[in-house]
Amino acid sequence: LAKTTQPISMDSYEGQEVNITCSHNNIATNDYITWYQQFPSQGPRFIIQGYKTKVTNEVASLFIPADRKSSTLSLPRVSLSDTAVYYCLVGAPSGSARQLTFGSGTQLTVLP
Amino acid sequence: NAGVTQTPKFRILKIGQSMTLQCTQDMNHNYMYWYRQDPGMGLKLIYYSVGAGITDKGEVPNGYNVSRSTTEDFPLRLELAAPSQTSVYFCASSYTGDKGDAVRQYFGPGTRLTVT
Repeated sequence: LAKTTQPISMDSYEGQEVNITCSHNNIATNDYITWYQQFPSQGPRFIIQGYKTKVTNEVASLFIPADRKSSTLSLPRVSLSDTAVYYCLVGAPSGSARQLTFGSGTQLTVLP
Repeated sequence: NAGVTQTPKFRILKIGQSMTLQCTQDMNHNYMYWYRQDPGMGLKLIYYSVGAGITDKGEVPNGYNVSRSTTEDFPLRLELAAPSQTSVYFCASSYTGDKGDAVRQYFGPGTRLTVT
């Protein structure tokens, strides 16, 4: 079971780059790393997913070192609307869904 | 596509009552999930299904039941409501493909349930 560990909270200012790191020391060979964003009173929303190295899309980048025991979500030039809880999820496409465990997430607060 | 829809949005139950939370997806996803989220906490998996007619327990299944008679629908049943079941319930779906598709879940808007 690939448990994840994230910081409980982070503060940043508008326009700064924010990096949130997730530790997953017992990640399995077939596991992918997926990040979600959740606003209050809403369901989580997919941000980005990766298996190794670096992945970039229109909203974020995901950095995964060679040993894959951690990953870093990078949000460029955050705004107030990026204030949310961010979850790191580790799991395999064909693995048991029981292993898809959401941790407590990281509360990101963007300040003006 | 409407994505994942859930009804009702809010519900208040008395202890011992029963109810069914409805979940429907129109993306032809084979995987569906039910989570609960208590205040300030992460999501906990209650039940999941990998296809019509197949369901399995998650982390916190006690007090709940599910069925999956069609690809689209995955209702969650609470038989004897207890205050400990006060929570926000999220339904999600995903597609089993390669490259981590099954881990990319699409969530509904949630049902806020209070048991008093």
